[in-house]
Amino acid sequence: GAGVSQSPSNKVTEKGKDVELRCDPISGHTALYWYRQSLGQGLEFLIYFQGNSAPDKSGLPSDRFSAERTGGSVSTLTIQRTQQEDSAVYLCASSLAKTSGGTGTQYFGPGTRLTVL
Amino acid sequence: DQQVKQNSPSLSVQEGRISILNCDYTNSMFDYFLWYKKYPAEGPTFLISISSIKDKNEDGRFTVFLNKSAKHLSLHIVPSQPGDSAVYFCAARDSGAGSYQLTFGKGTKLSVIP
Repeated sequence: GAGVSQSPSNKVTEKGKDVELRCDPISGHTALYWYRQSLGQGLEFLIYFQGNSAPDKSGLPSDRFSAERTGGSVSTLTIQRTQQEDSAVYLCASSLAKTSGGTGTQYFGPGTRLTVL
Repeated sequence: DQQVKQNSPSLSVQEGRISILNCDYTNSMFDYFLWYKKYPAEGPTFLISISSIKDKNEDGRFTVFLNKSAKHLSLHIVPSQPGDSAVYFCAARDSGAGSYQLTFGKGTKLSVIP
């Protein structure tokens, strides 16, 4: 079946503007994660959604970052008043839930490359 | 504080030889480990994983070894092929935590020379 999709693939914005990044997980995957990869760094966890439970926002770097997941499927990551240090590749991943008995292996989308000028 | 470390940023190997990628971790709560492979402009692709109750897992040309006492794991690729050239990320998780969030190393860029 289709994998995780993300849009846009590239986004260039000016400092101070808001941006929205979209993720469409694999059908049937109830867990959804956002990560970001800054230049020369590993992937950094941002936020986790599982079904209708409250999201785990422990990785969000500031209150300018927020995310929502509507209908348990598509997720949007919003960055308000973007700063140059927000420039990174933002990756979304999905997996089966922990309770489904699976290993919870995460499958990643291609990412959105965000450049803040 | 980096909990997952890949100390070699790059590795070059001749085609047909063995590639060994190393990873160390500090968090003793980690109980599941994964390797991902990433090509430029693509998302990471799951390669192989290992639970802490095992010390070896094999899948075709790929084998992951886990040494819990040393908090060390390694990925062996044999024989190495040019198509294996990519960045390899080691990742770990604490399955007892609320989420399955992964903690990643910074990656090792593998170049397989024909």
